[in-house]
Amino acid sequence: DGGITQSPKYLFRKEGQNVTLSCEQNLNHDAMYWYRQDPGQGLRLIYYSQIVNDFQKGDIAEGYSVSREKKESFPLTVTSAQKNPTAFYLCASSIGRQILQPQHFGDGTRLSIL
Amino acid sequence: DQQVKQNSPSLSVQEGRISILNCDYTNSMFDYFLWYKKYPAEGPTFLISISSIKDKNEDGRFTVFLNKSAKHLSLHIVPSQPGDSAVYFCAAHSNYQLIWGAGTKLIIKP
Repeated sequence: DGGITQSPKYLFRKEGQNVTLSCEQNLNHDAMYWYRQDPGQGLRLIYYSQIVNDFQKGDIAEGYSVSREKKESFPLTVTSAQKNPTAFYLCASSIGRQILQPQHFGDGTRLSIL
Repeated sequence: DQQVKQNSPSLSVQEGRISILNCDYTNSMFDYFLWYKKYPAEGPTFLISISSIKDKNEDGRFTVFLNKSAKHLSLHIVPSQPGDSAVYFCAAHSNYQLIWGAGTKLIIKP
């Protein structure tokens, strides 16, 4: 059963701490994305990757970092430089960015500050 | 500056009636529009899409209408069912990125 798995579902961060959100897909999709959702707002793109070992900044990349060492994995690190990290984070994938294919989403990680 | 706006945060509709969700956009370069549905504690799931060269696309109970001159699109659900209660997001494509609206919460009353 193919899909996207995000973990953990809930995460708490202390001040000055880096935390990493996991995203794994077994859909054999080339493109992967990280979005942030805040209450009353649409999804905003943090980072995206079209292919292994390549990724690009989205609209709100400051304070975040990513890696794409494997096709199926696209972890997101929320660094201490991100001053307002409390949000709902969604990972998505699609067959490719050149073709307009719908994005498939994981169930999200909710990050809160202790 | 929101390029994609869903001005109704919530909408309540009687079961069996038509649900109409609206979305306005400002960028005339958007060439493709998508609707996603989201249940609580889950990620959004793709519902239906429309290219800017069309004015209507239909899939079962779901129809999306696009009015390019008004920069407006709408999603019609007929007939509305209890399982349709969810948050609906409109998204527009430009330059290989999706720009998302804030969502409309649809509540189907029995």
